[in-house]
Amino acid sequence: ETGVTQTPRHLVMGMTNKKSLKCEQHLGHNAMYWYKQSAKKPLELMFVYSLEERVENNSVPSRFSPECPNSSHLFLHLHTLQPEDSALYLCASSQDWRDISGDEQFFGPGTRLTVL
Amino acid sequence: DAKTTQPPSMDCAEGRAANLPCNHSTISGNEYVYWYRQIHSQGPQYIIHGLKNNETNEMASLIITEDRKSSTLILPHATLRDTAVYYCIVRDPWGKFQFGAGTQVVVTP
Repeated sequence: ETGVTQTPRHLVMGMTNKKSLKCEQHLGHNAMYWYKQSAKKPLELMFVYSLEERVENNSVPSRFSPECPNSSHLFLHLHTLQPEDSALYLCASSQDWRDISGDEQFFGPGTRLTVL
Repeated sequence: DAKTTQPPSMDCAEGRAANLPCNHSTISGNEYVYWYRQIHSQGPQYIIHGLKNNETNEMASLIITEDRKSSTLILPHATLRDTAVYYCIVRDPWGKFQFGAGTQVVVTP
């Protein structure tokens, strides 16, 4: 247990569906992240939120829409996805994303998404 | 951004030390080296990080060369549960982690 939970753990959706991924951290951290891990590819940073404000958006298509209502919760809203969006989506949190000297990220277990 | 180079895979015998190399020849003076590992189908787990001094914690030791162009992660007594992909990451000055392909470590009995 890392203190970061993600739901659901597995999700199958059609290309016309709308679904949401949820992440919750119980660590009192100020920063939260979404990563994507496709098969046989490195983890890709998608979004960074610091104190509920989006501070990084790594050229992610608009069919992925993040939401951070407070510092403990992070959502990723999905709509009109493509089969190539099938991947493991990982959430992480850290105390201060700007603190490069000692700010380790704690990852959740991920949501395995399959788009049909 | 500084890039890292790691061997794609390595085997280690259970109970022996595992020495995982990483090259980061373009690292800048204020960039930290972080190590994470990812056990199959789980989220990555933080192991250790350092700037220029050697570091040790309950999981591992990190040895950084004097010129900081390479480092070695040492797992002192590998167990079967240490089988994972190990990522060496140079954290850029803006705080972002850039994960590479990592090293697949297989610990065998």
